[in-house]
Amino acid sequence: NAGVTQTPKFQVLKTGQSMTLQCAQDMNHEYMSWYRQDPGMGLRLIHYSVGAGITDQGEVPNGYNVSRSTTEDFPLRLLSAAPSQTSVYFCASSSRRGEKLFFGSGTQLSVL
Amino acid sequence: EDQVTQSPEALRLQEGESSSLNCSYTVSGLRGLFWYRQDPGKGPEFLFTLYSAGEEKEKERLKATLTKKESFLHITAPKPEDSATYLCAVQATTSGTYKYIFGTGTRLKVLA
Repeated sequence: NAGVTQTPKFQVLKTGQSMTLQCAQDMNHEYMSWYRQDPGMGLRLIHYSVGAGITDQGEVPNGYNVSRSTTEDFPLRLLSAAPSQTSVYFCASSSRRGEKLFFGSGTQLSVL
Repeated sequence: EDQVTQSPEALRLQEGESSSLNCSYTVSGLRGLFWYRQDPGKGPEFLFTLYSAGEEKEKERLKATLTKKESFLHITAPKPEDSATYLCAVQATTSGTYKYIFGTGTRLKVLA
């Protein structure tokens, strides 16, 4: 079972560049979400989706964009990368909102 | 303000030396408390969900308990493979919406 798959594993960007972090799950989960993890801080929710075509903002949405065209995929777009977006990003899914989360292996992003 | 605090930040144990990790919380509308394990370079992995005060869950050397203000993760006779960061998260409902609040984790090192 693949579970939640994130790509790439590592990425280095220059300030102002844009990119997309990919996330796919094969568990037919309704709920998908993106978190960032920074030293000394708990995981913080960026955006989430409760189903195809439905997305909403989390705690720290600025500078990020998402879409959910299929149940399986939930890409995260950085519109114009800034050094403050240097972090480890995790995609997570659950069968429905409120249930235990299944996390991907993370993307370590550095913005220079 | 909803808040989750984990202590200690870091813990070093000798193999076989039992101990407890603490997760204290202040949230309105608690729906559930979750424990996750995170290994370096990987995403968090689900361990337990607790829903009501007095509830306990066990898995191998781990036992999670819940009161109205805090949760404990008891580790009995730990082994080096138990070394990881343990994350606590509470799920709260506010105005009909759900939100996860993560603690910053306890880094556990078990020495052989």
